[in-house]
Amino acid sequence: DAKTTQPTSMDCAEGRAANLPCNHSTISGNEYVYWYRQIHSQGPQYIIHGLKNNETNEMASLIITEDRKSSTLILPHATLRDTAVYYCIVRGDYGGATNKLIFGTGTLLAVQP
Amino acid sequence: GAVVSQHPSRVICKSGTSVKIECRSLDFQATTMFWYRQFPKQSLMLMATSNEGSKATYEQGVEKDKFLINHASLTLSTLTVTSAHPEDSSFYICSARLGDTQYFGPGTRLTVL
Repeated sequence: DAKTTQPTSMDCAEGRAANLPCNHSTISGNEYVYWYRQIHSQGPQYIIHGLKNNETNEMASLIITEDRKSSTLILPHATLRDTAVYYCIVRGDYGGATNKLIFGTGTLLAVQP
Repeated sequence: GAVVSQHPSRVICKSGTSVKIECRSLDFQATTMFWYRQFPKQSLMLMATSNEGSKATYEQGVEKDKFLINHASLTLSTLTVTSAHPEDSSFYICSARLGDTQYFGPGTRLTVL
């Protein structure tokens, strides 16, 4: 079962920052938070992941709360091409029991012109 | 980097025939690959974990004799849907693990008539 809770859908204006929340209140100490997105009829695209520190790459920023029970994915300047379903996934070490990427229902982000 | 390809991208077959789907990691070696299935308007469901040189590990409820997985090299895993039926029509997606991250292929749309 997916261990995360995300809003079903969100809207964002083109050019503005998109902030996608995720709750993972039962996360364990060795579990990472991963974000993927899936554009219609394509395979999921890796965005970013983190353990406890905030992370930033060329696509997005990941803000993880100090208690690690929630996180926010930030797309700094959303474009129409960012319209997709965004999945927040908690995954343990690959050598452990919770080492699989189990997808929930995700958040459908619609970027509006 | 970290590109995963799938072939074919779409296939239509008659009921009762077998279909093979290939998943390749193009610019890295992957000892572990994963196979997912996605029905319309649903999320991805993990079917099995494929380890190079050993038998695949199937998720609960997935018939291993129907969905044959072979991971004969560090860059290739194949999924064969045997005796396909219309209910097997779905979007099949593979992923390959590189370090801590899974990278996904573009998916294969299977339609069984």
